[in-house]
Amino acid sequence: DAGITQSPRHKVTETGTPVTLRCHQTENHRYMYWYRQDPGHGLRLIHYSYGVKDTDKGEVSDGYSVSRSKTEDFLLTLESATSSQTSVYFCAIREQGLETQYFGPGTRLLVL
Amino acid sequence: GENVEQHPSTLSVQEGDSAVIKCTYSDSASNYFPWYKQELGKRPQLIIDIRSNVGEKKDQRIAVTLNKTAKHFSLHITETQPEDSAVYFCAADSGGYQKVTFGTGTKLQVIP
Repeated sequence: DAGITQSPRHKVTETGTPVTLRCHQTENHRYMYWYRQDPGHGLRLIHYSYGVKDTDKGEVSDGYSVSRSKTEDFLLTLESATSSQTSVYFCAIREQGLETQYFGPGTRLLVL
Repeated sequence: GENVEQHPSTLSVQEGDSAVIKCTYSDSASNYFPWYKQELGKRPQLIIDIRSNVGEKKDQRIAVTLNKTAKHFSLHITETQPEDSAVYFCAADSGGYQKVTFGTGTKLQVIP
């Protein structure tokens, strides 16, 4: 697997609490993405980054923010978690000039 | 934006039979079409892809066909084996940082 890790791998939290998920890559790829995966919806893009400090919204960005202060790290923050944000979150990376995205192992988040 | 529809949502086949999964897309600018396989509890992994200048591509028991005029592409798995059981996602990429749209997935079950 491409050098992508996600932490934590599992998390249970309560409604209203902030949550930060981390994606770390060792590939030095320019592009990084956060997706959520829910039954019947496939993979939906939350936010993406095209460089350090360069980020933009995807199709389901409400309630989420991101930051990328270093090439290797892309953080996803749920400012105030809601039950609708219970999901599996995948990070992906892509090398500049190539199309293929490689996924991290995922984080399973349960918001009670 | 791009819309990718994938059918069927579930598919059961006998071991040794063929399986076909079909996807349609809406954006005529899409020019790259990857297929991902996701085993239970694992990350999506690229199994095959095709670019718009090619009509068909094969890799051992897996093949993908593309009809740009009709805006549809298909995954064909021949001589299915139990280890082919997984969820398969198609996607369409129209270029740029974030222009990958995924289908909703097909759960393939290969019955021994």
